Amino acid sequence: AQKITQTQPGMFVQEKEAVTLDCTYDTSDPSYGLFWYKQPSSGEMIFLIYQGSYDQQNATEGRYSLNFQKARKSANLVISASQLGDSAMYFCAMRETGANSKLTFGKGITLSVRP
Amino acid sequence: KAGVTQTPRYLIKTRGQQVTLSCSPISGHRSVSWYQQTPGQGLQFLFEYFSETQRNKGNFPGRFSGRQFSNSRSEMNVSTLELGDSALYLCASSFPTTGFETQYFGPGTRLLVL
Repeated sequence: AQKITQTQPGMFVQEKEAVTLDCTYDTSDPSYGLFWYKQPSSGEMIFLIYQGSYDQQNATEGRYSLNFQKARKSANLVISASQLGDSAMYFCAMRETGANSKLTFGKGITLSVRP
Repeated sequence: KAGVTQTPRYLIKTRGQQVTLSCSPISGHRSVSWYQQTPGQGLQFLFEYFSETQRNKGNFPGRFSGRQFSNSRSEMNVSTLELGDSALYLCASSFPTTGFETQYFGPGTRLLVL
C-alpha cells in the first residue's frame, strides 16, 4: 500500500504568492516523522521542514510551514512569498518507528514559479 | 560544516561491469542511507548503515551491496550492471537522536549504463 501520496499535477504559482503542496500519508504507527524535501534540477535533495506526530504545533522554517492535520493524515507544505528559486520538485516523506523503519518518499510534485 | 559529498558525480558504464560509489557523511553523522532515484520508480531505499553495521535494507537484488567504514564513510557497489540500473544514486547522512533523524542528502551520483 502506498504510504505517501502526492497527487497534484505540476503546480504553478506567481512569484511572491503563497502555494500549498499536498501530502497525505498512511500509517497505523502512532509515532512517526514527516519530512519535506526540495529537489532542484541539479539533483540534490534539500531538507526543508520536519513535523513529528506528537508535535502540538505546526512546524515552521522561514517561508516554509507545514499544515499538519493528524486526523486527516495530511501534511501539506505551505510556501509563502514564492521566489523563482523555489521552482523544483518537492517530496513528502515519512519515517515510522521500529527496527526496520526507513524513510519512505512520495512521488513528488513539480512546482514552477512564474515571474 | 561541510555537507554530504558523493563521488563520482557522473559515471558511464556498460552492461556487465561493476561500479563502486562513495559517500562521505557530514562530520559527526554516523548513519548513512542510500537511495536509487529513477523517473519510473521514484525514490527507492537501498540500505542504511550505522556504526559499520547494516541497519536496514530495501528490496533490491543481491547485486547491490554496501558497507560503512569506521570513519562513517560509506560505499555502495553494484555488480553485473544492467540497463535498468541507470539512475541517480543519492546518499544521505544523519546524526543519532532520540526521535526521528533528519537525513541530509548529497548531490548524488548519476550512473548511466550502456
